[in-house]
Amino acid sequence: GEDVEQSLFLSVREGDSSVINCTYTDSSSTYLYWYKQEPGAGLQLLTYIFSNMDMKQDQRLTVLLNKKDKHLSLRIADTQTGDSAIYFCAESILDTGRRALTFGSGTRLQVQP
Amino acid sequence: DTGVSQDPRHKITKRGQNVTFRCDPISEHNRLYWYRQTLGQGPEFLTYFQNEAQLEKSRLLSDRFSAERPKGSFSTLEIQRTEQGDSAMYLCASSPTTYEQYFGPGTRLTVT
Repeated sequence: GEDVEQSLFLSVREGDSSVINCTYTDSSSTYLYWYKQEPGAGLQLLTYIFSNMDMKQDQRLTVLLNKKDKHLSLRIADTQTGDSAIYFCAESILDTGRRALTFGSGTRLQVQP
Repeated sequence: DTGVSQDPRHKITKRGQNVTFRCDPISEHNRLYWYRQTLGQGPEFLTYFQNEAQLEKSRLLSDRFSAERPKGSFSTLEIQRTEQGDSAMYLCASSPTTYEQYFGPGTRLTVT
């Protein structure tokens, strides 16, 4: 079955790097996503990576994928107070033909000034 | 802003009443999804449309829930005989492809 797991909470100081981790279900054909949710709001798509890639970088965001350990991480460089939010990892397994995303429970990132 | 829009943003209803939510996807996105999110959890998939066809439904979508997308544009989600357990954020997302999904701001339902 599909199971995406994340740690619940991360606290960093402004200007430091944040690393948010996620483990996912093993599949040879998977898209993996990072979404950001601020209080009372919907989900903002930050980035996504296909399972045949190892890394993707987009400005302050770096996604690393370790297929052997089924581990995905999101690194935010120079973290700002505006980055405080809940970050969700999600998976879409293409082999099953499903179109739905399976989400983790989210990691709350707190950025201290 | 031409993102996904949802209406209403908040809905308070008494147990047993029917409610209907609307989602307007990003223009020309032919895929539309409904999810439900409860406090402290990630969104859970409810149903998926490609154009006007409802192609997938989760087991979470009980007989009291019905969704439509009559002309392949906006969609509605109706909950009949609401229960307190239906209290949640209902999120709509749209997609131009199989891959990325763009979410709306959600409708927060409170059943008293």
